[in-house]
Amino acid sequence: DAKTTQPNSMESNEEEPVHLPCNHSTISGTDYIHWYRQLPSQGPEYVIHGLTSNVNNRMASLAIAEDRKSSTLILHRATLRDAAVYYCILLSGNTPLVFGKGTRLSVIA
Amino acid sequence: DAGITQSPRHKVTETGTPVTLRCHQTENHRYMYWYRQDPGHGLRLIHYSYGVKDTDKGEVSDGYSVSRSKTEDFLLTLESATSSQTSVYFCASGDRGFNTEAFFGQGTRLTVV
Repeated sequence: DAKTTQPNSMESNEEEPVHLPCNHSTISGTDYIHWYRQLPSQGPEYVIHGLTSNVNNRMASLAIAEDRKSSTLILHRATLRDAAVYYCILLSGNTPLVFGKGTRLSVIA
Repeated sequence: DAGITQSPRHKVTETGTPVTLRCHQTENHRYMYWYRQDPGHGLRLIHYSYGVKDTDKGEVSDGYSVSRSKTEDFLLTLESATSSQTSVYFCASGDRGFNTEAFFGQGTRLTVV
């Protein structure tokens, strides 16, 4: 199974951009890169996903390396509400949604 | 928000008793999942379903069974609850496995005493 590697934790100041990295060196051509986050005491929520091209939505941007072996989730202006655990997940075909350890993002006021 | 609800939200049960948790979705999603979350372990997949009566095991399926007789309902059963199954349980549903988003319930906190 394709795996991802993320830093255990990161810290950001409020209202500054945050770049959350994810390495997936064994990614296959059919793997989509998904990001989810889990706020304290809540279930996970979808953030964004992409295949090859960079993606933007109202929550974040996803920058995918040209060789697809890494990607970066970008929060353009971190707020206190963005403090959460962020998960980078590869999905293809009928593979189930399996979570790794993720990156715990702390936002400092 | 997608309509996905878990019941009960909290439950305390005794060791050795059977327990069934229910996940109900109103989005006609094909895929449904059950996870457990424990401190220091993150979210771990218990079982998942890719259609009515089609289920498969996840990472930590021992001691759990599931059933899906209707698209909208996915039941998780602990046949004989143990203290090690004290956890927060999340269910999720989604339309397809890889190119759309999954939606999660608010969780069920289960305590086995």
